[in-house]
Amino acid sequence: KNEVEQSPQNLTAQEGEFITINCSYSVGISALHWLQQHPGGGIVSLFMLSSGKKKHGRLIATINIQEKHSSLHITASHPRDSAVYICAVGYNNDMRFGAGTRLTVKP
Amino acid sequence: EAEVAQSPRYKITEKSQAVAFWCDPISGHATLYWYRQILGQGPELLVQFQDESVVDDSQLPKDRFSAERLKGVDSTLKIQPAELGDSAMYLCASSLVRTNYEQYFGPGTRLTVT
Repeated sequence: KNEVEQSPQNLTAQEGEFITINCSYSVGISALHWLQQHPGGGIVSLFMLSSGKKKHGRLIATINIQEKHSSLHITASHPRDSAVYICAVGYNNDMRFGAGTRLTVKP
Repeated sequence: EAEVAQSPRYKITEKSQAVAFWCDPISGHATLYWYRQILGQGPELLVQFQDESVVDDSQLPKDRFSAERLKGVDSTLKIQPAELGDSAMYLCASSLVRTNYEQYFGPGTRLTVT
């Protein structure tokens, strides 16, 4: 079993829809990261969380430490949000990555 | 804004050939990571440097892969000989200190072995 599980694997939405991507982990962590990877390959860090909730523009990330679960929400989705979203957890000076959620937002 | 640089961005090579990737981390970042990402999967750590020293290379296939960071700044990852299964995205990341709190990723090198 992977230490970091994401769902769904693939997600297609219409422009304007509210998007939720989920991440569950099985290890004790020091921090959780949400990363965005565009088709070109480069990875951009969106959020780093150790508790609670963070908001940046149309993106919101939440984490529940007790339940070992995090969600990434995108409000008013746009085609430029199309990317792979990766959840990663910091564990023992290492990072463990989920397989990613491929999001496609159609105009 | 400071960025992690990688080159080349794309590389096509024939199996059994040697290939090398270069990474220049953000200035002042002591920790450098090389990851391999197979299509449809998350990145997996190959090697981690603290300054010029390797602190974790447990997942590096040492029969064909090597990595160095001689002066504790930029780094080179080499594969010799390349195999078809090595086709992947190779990502470099750096962080200020050896924690998992904030890693900055480069654009990656996409390797295709034919």
